Amino acid sequence: GAGVSQSPSNKVTEKGKDVELRCDPISGHTALYWYRQSLGQGLEFLIYFQGNSAPDKSGLPSDRFSAERTGGSVSTLTIQRTQQEDSAVYLCASSSGGVSYNEQFFGPGTRLTVL
Amino acid sequence: KNQVEQSPQSLIILEGKNCTLQCNYTVSPFSNLRWYKQDTGRGPVSLTIMTFSENTKSNGRYTATLDADTKQSSLHITASQLSDSASYICVVSARSGGSYIPTFGRGTSLIVHP
Repeated sequence: GAGVSQSPSNKVTEKGKDVELRCDPISGHTALYWYRQSLGQGLEFLIYFQGNSAPDKSGLPSDRFSAERTGGSVSTLTIQRTQQEDSAVYLCASSSGGVSYNEQFFGPGTRLTVL
Repeated sequence: KNQVEQSPQSLIILEGKNCTLQCNYTVSPFSNLRWYKQDTGRGPVSLTIMTFSENTKSNGRYTATLDADTKQSSLHITASQLSDSASYICVVSARSGGSYIPTFGRGTSLIVHP
């Protein structure tokens, strides 16, 4: 596919369960971002991967959140012991480099609902 | 703290009319400013990008302006179409060490009525 893909598109889970969200960036893109978009709020930066550099985790809201990027491609965002306030749309974006003016291409998002 | 404020929060206009959306920011050190369009249920799509030295940038019926002195930007939509109904998000990037971290506004929800 030509674009960023994310799976699942929707996830409903019970409070306290762990969830994994997947992002497949555009092939060849070295930069990958995770964002969270809560209802009525702007996008909130979570984590940024650039090539083989250590990720910028400054946006992760708590230690229940973690992300990996394997082989410089696919990324997984894991939320442990989910809470109701984790309910949001989680968006992934990739770009062709770490320079800020490179356009970020967004996936369709994963809508997470924690009951 | 870096912040991006957008106004109005929502806007309803008739098809064919023009409109202007506003963005004020306090982001430092400034790197660039983008306007995104986000359709319902979709990820944002970039419309324009401006760096410090650019005052205006057009993309079809969309024209963005930037005043780096007052830290304000606007997005003007000309001859609106029904397909322009979406959320328009202003994003300002700052350099943080070796990273470029964007700060997103909450967006302006635009509804174009026939």
